[in-house]
Amino acid sequence: KNEVEQSPQNLTAQEGEFITINCSYSVGISALHWLQQHPGGGIVSLFMLSSGKKKHGRLIATINIQEKHSSLHITASHPRDSAVYICAVRYNNDMRFGAGTRLTVKP
Amino acid sequence: DAGVIQSPRHEVTEMGQEVTLRCKLISGHNSLFWYRQTMMRGLELLIYFNNNVPIDDSGMPEDRFSAKMPNASFSTLKIQPSEPRDSAVYFCASSLARLGKLFFGSGTQLSVL
Repeated sequence: KNEVEQSPQNLTAQEGEFITINCSYSVGISALHWLQQHPGGGIVSLFMLSSGKKKHGRLIATINIQEKHSSLHITASHPRDSAVYICAVRYNNDMRFGAGTRLTVKP
Repeated sequence: DAGVIQSPRHEVTEMGQEVTLRCKLISGHNSLFWYRQTMMRGLELLIYFNNNVPIDDSGMPEDRFSAKMPNASFSTLKIQPSEPRDSAVYFCASSLARLGKLFFGSGTQLSVL
């Protein structure tokens, strides 16, 4: 069983919809990252969380340490949000990745 | 700052050859990570340096892989000898602190024939 589970694997939405991507993990972590991988392959770090909630523009990330769960929300989704979103957790000196959620936002 | 710079962008080599991937960190960053991404296994952490010192190399697949930081701003990942199963995209990332936000390079697409 993977230490980091993401859902859904694939997600198709219409422009303007509210998007939620979930990440559950099974280990005690020091930090959780949300990454965005563009169709061209480049990776951008969106958030790093160890508790609570962070917001940047239309993106919101939350984490519940007790439940070992994090969510990434996108409000007013846009076709340019189409990408693979990857959850990654840091624990001890290691880092484990979810398999990613492929998001497609249609105009 | 130009961000994390990786070279080459693409590398095609024959089985058995030595491959060297290069990474230049963002100035002032003191943590460096090498990752590998394949379709089968997704992203995996290979090795992590903090202040030029390798902290955890348990992700390095085998002795054919080695990584160095000859100075605070530069790292190499070497595969010798290379094998077809090493074909992947190799990313490096740097951060200002051990648990800081990660900044990724654009990756090196390695194909071993």
